[in-house]
Amino acid sequence: GQQVMQIPQYQHVQEGEDFTTYCNSSTTLSNIQWYKQRPGGHPVFLIQLVKSGEVKKQKRLTFQFGEAKKNSSLHITATQTTDVGTYFCAGPSGTYKYIFGTGTRLKVLA
Amino acid sequence: DAGVIQSPRHEVTEMGQEVTLRCKPISGHDYLFWYRQTMMRGLELLIYFNNNVPIDDSGMPEDRFSAKMPNASFSTLKIQPSEPRDSAVYFCATYRGMNTEAFFGQGTRLTVV
Repeated sequence: GQQVMQIPQYQHVQEGEDFTTYCNSSTTLSNIQWYKQRPGGHPVFLIQLVKSGEVKKQKRLTFQFGEAKKNSSLHITATQTTDVGTYFCAGPSGTYKYIFGTGTRLKVLA
Repeated sequence: DAGVIQSPRHEVTEMGQEVTLRCKPISGHDYLFWYRQTMMRGLELLIYFNNNVPIDDSGMPEDRFSAKMPNASFSTLKIQPSEPRDSAVYFCATYRGMNTEAFFGQGTRLTVV
């Protein structure tokens, strides 16, 4: 079945450093979504990418969708302690359901 | 709208007991999903409904798990009998339609001892 993998699994960065997480799907995706889950919280939607090669920015966050629509990345510039949490990508599979990636847990050291 | 509401927030039960988790979706959202989250397996899709009808339950681990959506305002996930390996956070999430964002509830943290 379809798999969505993310790397790295964990990342510790010093506050102010950049951070990138990568998402890879075993199949071509019509779109991809990104979510953030704070410790003890629930996943919260960040953004959806649809077009091949699409790049979207939200303040310090930059999201990219690969040309082949099988991979995506999330880059955070100059991390802050508020960026702590787990970042998930999610891609549609089958009739209608989203498969969530394995997640990247980000820890920011002040 | 208050968002997706799940209850209880925490549940501690003994092995063998029946557990019922509840979810009230956002009004007007046609799709309701149940996920289970553990450190080992991440976010697993258990089952989803469209307009109250179960569409895909291939993620339900075994017959001990069942889910219902009797109307557009309410869904339940039942585990009977519960086992320690069922300990996890269970999320309910709803979507307004296809290719839209998911709105997650706060989750139910289940501990089976």
